[in-house]
Amino acid sequence: KAGVTQTPRYLIKTRGQQVTLSCSPISGHRSVSWYQQTPGQGLQFLFEYFSETQRNKGNFPGRFSGRQFSNSRSEMNVSTLELGDSALYLCASSDSGVSPLHFGNGTRLTVT
Amino acid sequence: DAKTTQPPSMDCAEGRAANLPCNHSTISGNEYVYWYRQIHSQGPQYIIHGLKNNETNEMASLIITEDRKSSTLILPHATLRDTAVYYCIVRVWGGADGLTFGKGTHLIIQP
Repeated sequence: KAGVTQTPRYLIKTRGQQVTLSCSPISGHRSVSWYQQTPGQGLQFLFEYFSETQRNKGNFPGRFSGRQFSNSRSEMNVSTLELGDSALYLCASSDSGVSPLHFGNGTRLTVT
Repeated sequence: DAKTTQPPSMDCAEGRAANLPCNHSTISGNEYVYWYRQIHSQGPQYIIHGLKNNETNEMASLIITEDRKSSTLILPHATLRDTAVYYCIVRVWGGADGLTFGKGTHLIIQP
């Protein structure tokens, strides 16, 4: 089975712009969650989707949003980018949320 | 805040067993212990999980104390490729809550 795929691998954006990141989960996995990793804050939970519905959300501003499609693929969007949004964004999938998470290798976003 | 406490770093000689401790003194009865590791520039990799019994898979063994307040991840024959940050996490099985990652233990395997 192919693992979790995230695209693009690297991204450079300018402050004020918006960005969309994509995640394709492991085949058959219906739960997709997103995490932000920075050197200062470590790994932090953004949100989790299951069958196109957001089930839980971390403590991030409304500029961070996501969605999940009927094929379980997910996107996350960050609007009005700030310098502090520079981070590694990780997507993880699981089988209905009852199995351990499997992570992709992330999208490294740099905001200049 | 993370519900677990781990030493910030550990060294281990290649070929020896690496024993990584984790304290989770406030663990609830329905929370599992999960271990993940993250090699530089990659996403975290699931290693093993357990509730109260000791568990073993092809990667590692997990020893959970009887009172469940602490656990030890054992890599039986460490290799240089096992150098990574190891995270111990407690979580309700099937929960939609995000994983709470602490700072983990940076395990360095010495040749």
